[in-house]
Amino acid sequence: GENVEQHPSTLSVQEGDSAVIKCTYSDSASNYFPWYKQELGKGPQLIIDIRSNVGEKKDQRIAVTLNKTAKHFSLHITETQPEDSAVYFCAAFGPYDKVIFGPGTSLSVIP
Amino acid sequence: ETGVTQTPRHLVMGMTNKKSLKCEQHLGHNAMYWYKQSAKKPLELMFVYNFKEQTENNSVPSRFSPECPNSSHLFLHLHTLQPEDSALYLCASSEDWTSGTYEQFFGPGTRLTVL
Repeated sequence: GENVEQHPSTLSVQEGDSAVIKCTYSDSASNYFPWYKQELGKGPQLIIDIRSNVGEKKDQRIAVTLNKTAKHFSLHITETQPEDSAVYFCAAFGPYDKVIFGPGTSLSVIP
Repeated sequence: ETGVTQTPRHLVMGMTNKKSLKCEQHLGHNAMYWYKQSAKKPLELMFVYNFKEQTENNSVPSRFSPECPNSSHLFLHLHTLQPEDSALYLCASSEDWTSGTYEQFFGPGTRLTVL
């Protein structure tokens, strides 16, 4: 069946370094790709998203890139801070009513 | 209250009990969702309601019964659950499901334990 792979499953970086999380999706008709951050005891929070007609999007320290040909997209966090520590999920939406989440990446930022 | 709220935050129930989870959104949205988040498994979409009409039921067992009386409230009725149903149940909302505006806002979840 359709799925979304996410790597790595855990990631530790020093404060100030960059973090990169990659996702690969299988359905070439997927058209919306959000990234969520989930802190302990909270629900997922949308941090950035990208649609299939865009290759890159940036919001301050966070950026997402999409390669439709290879069917993968990546989250880039620069100048990481301890408060960036959380579990990050990618997802692929569409076509129609399909929603598939990746298994998550636990990011630890070491002060 | 702002955003998406869920009650209760924690629930322990036996396999023969009947309980309900409640979700309320204060964002003026028209679509609401139930997700299941199990340990070491991806988030799973269970049900979608768009303008109070159920549009998705992703092969969810009948022991889970959703109800959406209006665009602001969503319930998940539980009966004769199994221990493997223990998970975090998340509610989310968005402007609607069909317009292409997919940004979803999640509540904090209900941590369910089935004994």
